[in-house]
Amino acid sequence: AQSVAQPEDQVNVAEGNPLTVKCTYSVSGNPYLFWYVQYPNRGLQFLLKYITGDNLVKGSYGFEAEFNKSQTSFHLKKPSALVSDSALYFCAVRDTGFQKLVFGTGTRLLVSP
Amino acid sequence: NAGVTQTPKFQVLKTGQSMTLQCAQDMNHNSMYWYRQDPGMGLRLIYYSASEGTTDKGEVPNGYNVSRLNKREFSLRLESAAPSQTSVYFCASSEEAVGMGEQYFGPGTRLTVT
Repeated sequence: AQSVAQPEDQVNVAEGNPLTVKCTYSVSGNPYLFWYVQYPNRGLQFLLKYITGDNLVKGSYGFEAEFNKSQTSFHLKKPSALVSDSALYFCAVRDTGFQKLVFGTGTRLLVSP
Repeated sequence: NAGVTQTPKFQVLKTGQSMTLQCAQDMNHNSMYWYRQDPGMGLRLIYYSASEGTTDKGEVPNGYNVSRLNKREFSLRLESAAPSQTSVYFCASSEEAVGMGEQYFGPGTRLTVT
């Protein structure tokens, strides 16, 4: 069965500092991996995805994620955090053998001024 | 271009009442989904529809039914609401096959069952 784990409920970072939001996954085949962001009282918005190819994926709003097959990880990163990045971030995975996305429990990012 | 719209935004039901949550997308997407979001549990898939006329169960389908009325609309029905169905419900759609591409989410319906 496919699953995804976000080990941190909350990540705190100061504005201007780099940020990392962690995600690890478990699939039986090749993974399709996604990051979404949710602002208060809004639906989720797509940030980026990894299907195949370059392990470093660039997405919206300056975010990027690194696919690491040996560590089964897909961590979300940004070189310089903004206060406006404060939101709830979800990692999701789809196994090639399944038709559904499975979402993690979410990580709240708090960027302080 | 409104994207994915959901009605209503808020709803309070008594235990045993029924209701239908409406969802429509104007992006000509084939795949549509219903999720529920609960604190500490992320999003869980209730039902999905890979194309007009087809629906399939997701992770937590019990207590729900769906209808893919046409390519644009995908409704979720609670026949007899229970307090355990108190949640925020999101509809989503995607252009690519189920789970392949990015999904576009509606603003959500906050449902409380007393």
